[in-house]
Amino acid sequence: AQKVTQAQTEISVVEKEDVTLDCVYETRDTTYYLFWYKQPPSGELVFLIRRNSFDEQNEISGRYSWNFQKSTSSFNFTITASQVVDSAVYFCALSPEGGGSEKLVFGKGTKLTVNP
Amino acid sequence: EPEVTQTPSHQVTQMGQEVILRCVPISNHLYFYWYRQILGQKVEFLVSFYNNEISEKSEIFDDQFSVERPDGSNFTLKIRSTKLEDSAMYFCASSWGPADTQYFGPGTRLTVL
Repeated sequence: AQKVTQAQTEISVVEKEDVTLDCVYETRDTTYYLFWYKQPPSGELVFLIRRNSFDEQNEISGRYSWNFQKSTSSFNFTITASQVVDSAVYFCALSPEGGGSEKLVFGKGTKLTVNP
Repeated sequence: EPEVTQTPSHQVTQMGQEVILRCVPISNHLYFYWYRQILGQKVEFLVSFYNNEISEKSEIFDDQFSVERPDGSNFTLKIRSTKLEDSAMYFCASSWGPADTQYFGPGTRLTVL
């Protein structure tokens, strides 16, 4: 069975602080995809990143960076110099590659509050 | 930029009534999905749809639920006889391929009274 654990339920930081959101996953699949989505207070789900299980290179996009470590089954997300607009719930998700299942399995989310 | 749209944004219904939630996926996408999120909880998969048939469904997706692609653009979720516990945000998503990024619509908030 597949499972995604986001142990941090809520995080509160002050603007300009760096913050890391943890994601640990479980799967028996040898190939899979990992995702991060952002859910701002308005409620929509905004895609942030998709990472193939074979690609362990870290990725940076502006103030966002992702650290994928297959050895520890983790896919952590760091926001550098956080801003108030980063306040949202962040979901990590897992999807198998092929095998007849296309569903995303989501973690419970981490609510990030960035205070001015 | 293409996006998934959903209507209505908020639906209020009485217990036992039928509701239809509508979605227009991104036009060149081939895979369509419904998820739900009970308030304050995680997003849960309901069903995936490809080539005009259900390809996978979760335990939540029982006989009260059905999906349909009535024309070339719309994708609907029907709940035949709503229960109080069906109150949730329902998200539609679409992707080009089975393991590609799923893009989500803004959601329909369903309130069952």
